[in-house]
Amino acid sequence: DAKTTQPPSMDCAEGRAANLPCNHSTISGNEYVYWYRQIHSQGPQYIIHGLKNNETNEMASLIITEDRKSSTLILPHATLRDTAVYYCIVRVWGGGSNYKLTFGKGTLLTVNP
Amino acid sequence: ETGVTQTPRHLVMGMTNKKSLKCEQHLGHNAMYWYKQSAKKPLELMFVYNFKEQTENNSVPSRFSPECPNSSHLFLHLHTLQPEDSALYLCASSQETGNSGNTIYFGEGSWLTVV
Repeated sequence: DAKTTQPPSMDCAEGRAANLPCNHSTISGNEYVYWYRQIHSQGPQYIIHGLKNNETNEMASLIITEDRKSSTLILPHATLRDTAVYYCIVRVWGGGSNYKLTFGKGTLLTVNP
Repeated sequence: ETGVTQTPRHLVMGMTNKKSLKCEQHLGHNAMYWYKQSAKKPLELMFVYNFKEQTENNSVPSRFSPECPNSSHLFLHLHTLQPEDSALYLCASSQETGNSGNTIYFGEGSWLTVV
């Protein structure tokens, strides 16, 4: 599996941009980088994913380095409701007929007033 | 609302009981998943179904028995569970086309407490 490395926790002030880093140095050429978040007691929420190019949607932006060994999730204007555990995941071939989504411990982002 | 609905949201059962968790996806997807999240642990993949066929069993004890009658419904039948099986059980679905870029969507989960 292409493992990912994330800081265990980060703080961000409300209204400021939150930049969450992720290292995935063993990623293969056809493996996508996904970001999910999990607010306490809820199911993981899909945020964004990408392969090579930077991506943006209504929730966030994803910046992937040119060598694809790391990425950054950007929440442009963090709110208190963005406090959650953020997971960076590389979806790898699991054999059989499936690509696997394997979760690590993620980054606990705390947005402070 | 992700299009993946799980029931019940909360379940308390004794170790000798038999119960089932239900998942329904309204997204037209062809793959469904069960994940388990124990306290302070990462999500663990339990089972994967593609087109109603089980394609992965991640060494799950036989007291957990999945059933996928069609591509929209997935069940997890529970019997003779142990207190350490208490956890959040998450269902997910995706449209698999042999590409790593297919998004998996999760339900809100079923909180299970075994007493």
